[in-house]
Amino acid sequence: GQSLEQPSEVTAVEGAIVQINCTYQTSGFYGLSWYQQHDGGAPTFLSYNALDGLEETGRFSSFLSRSDSYGYLLLQELQMKDSASYFCAVNRDDKIIFGKGTRLHILP
Amino acid sequence: DGGITQSPKYLFRKEGQNVTLSCEQNLNHDAMYWYRQDPGQGLRLIYYSQIVNDFQKGDIAEGYSVSREKKESFPLTVTSAQKNPTAFYLCASSATGVHETQYFGPGTRLLVL
Repeated sequence: GQSLEQPSEVTAVEGAIVQINCTYQTSGFYGLSWYQQHDGGAPTFLSYNALDGLEETGRFSSFLSRSDSYGYLLLQELQMKDSASYFCAVNRDDKIIFGKGTRLHILP
Repeated sequence: DGGITQSPKYLFRKEGQNVTLSCEQNLNHDAMYWYRQDPGQGLRLIYYSQIVNDFQKGDIAEGYSVSREKKESFPLTVTSAQKNPTAFYLCASSATGVHETQYFGPGTRLLVL
């Protein structure tokens, strides 16, 4: 079977750092993606890891360990506009499988 | 500007009625996808198409149908067989390849009267 596990909710303070973890179990794995979705909006692409290690894009970084079937999204210098849901997703040979998402709450 | 458009933004369905959601892209992408999202939930794949005139069922295809007669268009019909159609429907497209990013349309919110 296939599954992705990520926390349903995370709370952090403005200006702080937060890490959202994702573990997966699937066949035909090619890479791990992260998407952001604001309330009522469409998901938008944030980051992608095909190989082990850290990818950095501005305030956002993503990490992958293929041997551990594990990845995380790291958000630094949190801003109120980062309040959203974050989805990890597995890129397979035929499609992308999305997790259920992590709701990030940011406190002022 | 390149992108994906979905229409309408809101759609109301009466009992026993079929409704069709539109999805158009001008990104020249070969692959297109339909997802359903329920409140507080992730994205569940309904149908996808890797090429014109071909499509495959996703995880929750029952009660839905699609067509892919043109590269740019991938309409989704919610049939009367779908007993719980109220949800947010998202269309996406991507270039062909295992490392490609999906680009999403703004979504259609379907409500049952």
